[in-house]
Amino acid sequence: DSGVTQTPKHLITATGQRVTLRCSPRSGDLSVYWYQQSLDQGLQFLIQYYNGEERAKGNILERFSAQQFPDLHSELNLSSLELGDSALYFCASSVDLASEQFFGPGTRLTVL
Amino acid sequence: DAKTTQPNSMESNEEEPVHLPCNHSTISGTDYIHWYRQLPSQGPEYVIHGLTSNVNNRMASLAIAEDRKSSTLILHRATLRDAAVYYCILIIDSNYQLIWGAGTKLIIKP
Repeated sequence: DSGVTQTPKHLITATGQRVTLRCSPRSGDLSVYWYQQSLDQGLQFLIQYYNGEERAKGNILERFSAQQFPDLHSELNLSSLELGDSALYFCASSVDLASEQFFGPGTRLTVL
Repeated sequence: DAKTTQPNSMESNEEEPVHLPCNHSTISGTDYIHWYRQLPSQGPEYVIHGLTSNVNNRMASLAIAEDRKSSTLILHRATLRDAAVYYCILIIDSNYQLIWGAGTKLIIKP
């Protein structure tokens, strides 16, 4: 158990819909990262927050957005969903911007 | 653009050393090199990281080339539990971008 929690574990929705994925970092970690992993693919870095502020942006689509709240939990919002958005979405946290990341169990999103 | 390049897969025999290479020729002087691995049906887990000098921990060793354009993750005595996808990552110091390689699938033969 990494100490990072993600909800929900599974999510099934339809094209065009909007969903929100939630992540709670390890106690004491200020940085949160979001990743997308499509079937049998590597990880794509989406976005990073540090203490509530966006710090780095990767290959995140405009239909996707994220935020980190004052209590340091983070949410990833995915809208106008397409079939290709079906993937595992991982959240990770770390103490600071370049330290070891601890990954959550992931949320599996299926878009039908 | 920064990138890391890794072989798609490698095979090794159990209880033998494994050397997993990574090319990161676009690296800058203060960019960190991290390695993670992902066991089947799990999230990635940290293995090791370094900047310039070689690094050792209980899981592995990291050998960084003198010009820093490549690195090698060394598992000294592979076990069946080490079968995983190993990712080499650059953390770009100037903007905190994380550049993940496509990963090397390590197959351990008993």
